Amino acid sequence: GAGVSQSPSNKVTEKGKDVELRCDPISGHTALYWYRQSLGQGLEFLIYFQGNSAPDKSGLPSDRFSAERTGGSVSTLTIQRTQQEDSAVYLCASSFPWGGNNEQFFGPGTRLTVL
Amino acid sequence: DQQVKQNSPSLSVQEGRISILNCDYTNSMFDYFLWYKKYPAEGPTFLISISSIKDKNEDGRFTVFLNKSAKHLSLHIVPSQPGDSAVYFCAGRENNDMRFGAGTRLTVKP
Repeated sequence: GAGVSQSPSNKVTEKGKDVELRCDPISGHTALYWYRQSLGQGLEFLIYFQGNSAPDKSGLPSDRFSAERTGGSVSTLTIQRTQQEDSAVYLCASSFPWGGNNEQFFGPGTRLTVL
Repeated sequence: DQQVKQNSPSLSVQEGRISILNCDYTNSMFDYFLWYKKYPAEGPTFLISISSIKDKNEDGRFTVFLNKSAKHLSLHIVPSQPGDSAVYFCAGRENNDMRFGAGTRLTVKP
C-alpha cells in the first residue's frame, strides 16, 4: 500500500536486550516523526527528521534511544539495553515539509513489550 | 514541557448529542492545530485542522473552534454517533514540529 508501514508489528524482548524498530514513510514525504504511546498515556514526541537537516532529538528520553534515517527515507529507532518502562506502542508518522495543514500520516505502530 | 494539554482523559455522551473535546496550549508560535482520531490497535488518523489565523473550521459533523487569546481550542461533534467512539488527540504545529496532547477517550452510547 501507499501508507506508512512499520515493522515488526509486535516485539517481545527481554530486559537488557537491544531492539530495532523500522519505519517506511510515504514516498515523497521528507518529514518523519517517531512517537511512543505508553499504556494510558498520550503521544509522546521522540524525534523528528526533516530532509538532510540535523534531527530534532529533544524528545528522546535517554541516551539508550537513538534513531537514524538513511537516504532520507527509511528510519530505524534503536533502543539499547531495554527496560520494562520502554514497553509502549512506538508510532512513526511522515508528512510533506510545508504548506497546508501539514497532516501527518501515521503507521500502525510497533507494540514493544519488555519482559 | 507539555505544550498541548487535554485535561479530560475521557468523555461519555449519548448518541445524537453534541460531543465537545477541549484542548489548551502554551506555545503561541503554533501556526496550525490539528485533531487526530485513534482507534485501538491502529495509528492515529487526521480528522480536521485549523489555521491559527482562523477561529472556526467546519467539516460535516466536525467543527473546530480556536480562541487564540485564551490559547484554547475545541472540537465539536454533532450529532455524535457510536462510531465516533475513539481517542481524540489535539496537536499544535510550529514549523514542522508537531506536539500532541495526551488524548481524550470519547465514548458515544447508543
